[in-house]
Amino acid sequence: EVQLVESGGGLVKPGGSLRLSCAASGFTFSNRWMSWVRQAPGKGLEWVGRIKRNADGGTTDLAAPVKGRFTISRDDSKNTLYLQMNSLKTEDTAVYYCTSEYYGHLDSWGQGTLATVSS
Amino acid sequence: DIVMTQTPLSSPVALGQPASISCRSSQSLVHSDGNTYLSWLQQRPGQPPRVLIYKISNRISGVPDRFSGSGAGTDFTLKISRVEAEDVGVYYCMQATLGLTFGGGTKVEIK
Repeated sequence: EVQLVESGGGLVKPGGSLRLSCAASGFTFSNRWMSWVRQAPGKGLEWVGRIKRNADGGTTDLAAPVKGRFTISRDDSKNTLYLQMNSLKTEDTAVYYCTSEYYGHLDSWGQGTLATVSS
Repeated sequence: DIVMTQTPLSSPVALGQPASISCRSSQSLVHSDGNTYLSWLQQRPGQPPRVLIYKISNRISGVPDRFSGSGAGTDFTLKISRVEAEDVGVYYCMQATLGLTFGGGTKVEIK
């Protein structure tokens, strides 16, 4: 059974940092492109960014609102995806979901972890 | 960036009646590899989203056949042939042809 379990959310002040993790199991993690998607309270879904599998270069793409502040990385030896969030703003408050990409669709989702940015 | 526009914002539907959601992209979603990476997701209250349909019209295993997708180019539709109580939630279209973008969502509720 595919499982994606996010952790690392919490309360942080504006300008602060958080590192989210996503532990994957039940599939070959190293073969998948992985994405982070966020959802602000009561709002819709917003793509944060993705990291390709190492066989495709392991490169990252980030959405404009987070470019220069967020970094996505992966450790295939630990089947874990990371999202490093720096210079956080109040508008970054959201539930952050870890997802796997499969031929152009997001086929598996975690339960999400809440990051709250507030003074 | 590709903008995805969904209509309507809300769709009150009586049980057993059909529902239809439209999704329009700001540019063609046909990828250079010939595929169109348009999918539909369902988010039930309090749950993470799940994919229902990928590449316009392919249902994910286990998704009821009352859900169907159609369209081409820039215009796409999700149809529910007979709405059931468990279909209540928000539906999103998503493109992955160029980057990844979601539509704003359509709330399906029982009238």
